Amino acid sequence: EIVLTQSPGTLSLSPGERATLSCRASQSVSSSYLAWYQQKPGQAPRLLIYGASSRATGIPDRFSGSGSGTDFTLTISRLEPEDFAVYYCQQYGSSPPGWTFGQGTKVEIK
Amino acid sequence: QVQLQESGPGLVKPSETLSLTCAVSGYSISSGYYWGWIRQPPGKGLEWIGSIYHSGSTYYNPSLKSRVTISVDTSKNQFSLKLSSVTAADTAVYYCASFYYDSSGPPRGAFDIWGQGTMVTVSS
Repeated sequence: EIVLTQSPGTLSLSPGERATLSCRASQSVSSSYLAWYQQKPGQAPRLLIYGASSRATGIPDRFSGSGSGTDFTLTISRLEPEDFAVYYCQQYGSSPPGWTFGQGTKVEIK
Repeated sequence: QVQLQESGPGLVKPSETLSLTCAVSGYSISSGYYWGWIRQPPGKGLEWIGSIYHSGSTYYNPSLKSRVTISVDTSKNQFSLKLSSVTAADTAVYYCASFYYDSSGPPRGAFDIWGQGTMVTVSS
């Protein structure tokens, strides 16, 4: 089973700042089958990034994903007030197929 | 577009079986999508429970496999989750979700469609 470890646990930033979130896998994620989700309180998660770097439909271009193998990054170029939330990475490339999530990174207003 | 709606009891007694249904609207459950269940205990992270295709092909989280059954009812355009022998640790918001699957190779998809979630509490 692939274990995903996200860091930091909490990121305290101000609107307009750049956010860099990390996701490290315990073994290589096949074909960059790595996704990022945003979750706000009381809401279902929303897919932001799939395939490590492709933005999902309707996602602003201030969100970008990068990485391969075991190290992946989600970058929010300039934080908007609505971006303060919890972010999860997820892998979906294991064999047999399975989907595992990281423990999450909370981006909070400083 | 595809919409998902979970339903089921909000309270289940310990040792009993949790049963939830996800109604699919805007699309036929018999074509094109993989369907899944994910849960989130209060204040904690997300945990994938299992996924199913309309053909009946299923994948389960190894840590829950012995207690989980996911099935599809094409006549009602819905899929279901059963989790047996529940304890307080199964208290969570349960989400159904889906991703498009082109029927080639193993299913590899990020869940891009989610239901709103339903809270299930395990308590006597």
